[in-house]
Amino acid sequence: NAGVTQTPKFQVLKTGQSMTLQCAQDMNHEYMSWYRQDPGMGLRLIHYSVGAGITDQGEVPNGYNVSRSTTEDFPLRLLSAAPSQTSVYFCASSGPSSYNSPLHFGNGTRLTVT
Amino acid sequence: QQQVKQSPQSLIVQKGGISIINCAYENTAFDYFPWYQQFPGKGPALLIAIRPDVSEKKEGRFTISFNKSAKQFSLHIMDSQPGDSATYFCAASIEASNYQLIWGAGTKLIIKP
Repeated sequence: NAGVTQTPKFQVLKTGQSMTLQCAQDMNHEYMSWYRQDPGMGLRLIHYSVGAGITDQGEVPNGYNVSRSTTEDFPLRLLSAAPSQTSVYFCASSGPSSYNSPLHFGNGTRLTVT
Repeated sequence: QQQVKQSPQSLIVQKGGISIINCAYENTAFDYFPWYQQFPGKGPALLIAIRPDVSEKKEGRFTISFNKSAKQFSLHIMDSQPGDSATYFCAASIEASNYQLIWGAGTKLIIKP
């Protein structure tokens, strides 16, 4: 049972560099999302997708792009990294919204931008 | 109106004691209130959830108490154990929508042996 797999676990970038955070799930979940976690600020939604080919912005989308070409994968792209994007990033997936369909999170990617 | 305010930010409890974390909300349309537990280096995982048609839900040592009139809900951990040391997040949404979950800021709980 792999669940939600995120790679890499750690990444250091210089300001202005680009990179892609990978997320894959093997539960055939339609809904996938990206969060960032910063101390004292909880979890903030960056982008989400309710199915292949469908994406939408969350609370803090600026500086990030996403695409959803398959049900399994939902990569997050940073086009030009900034120090403000230093954070821990979590990918999550779930089945259709219902009271019995919780979010399943990956173990996170810790990103440092210098 | 969309905020969920969680307190305290951190909490230290002796082993065997009761840990209590509180959350307050404004939007009366919220009808799903989950709690997620996060261990260091891991992603959050659903611990327990409640709907507003009940005032209390218990799963083992974990209980959610819900006060609809006060727009508050809380997590109680009875007989707290060192293995309960984690960060706890409350959240709320309408119709259990996962992409409209509003999250509290989190509580770091430390259980001292």
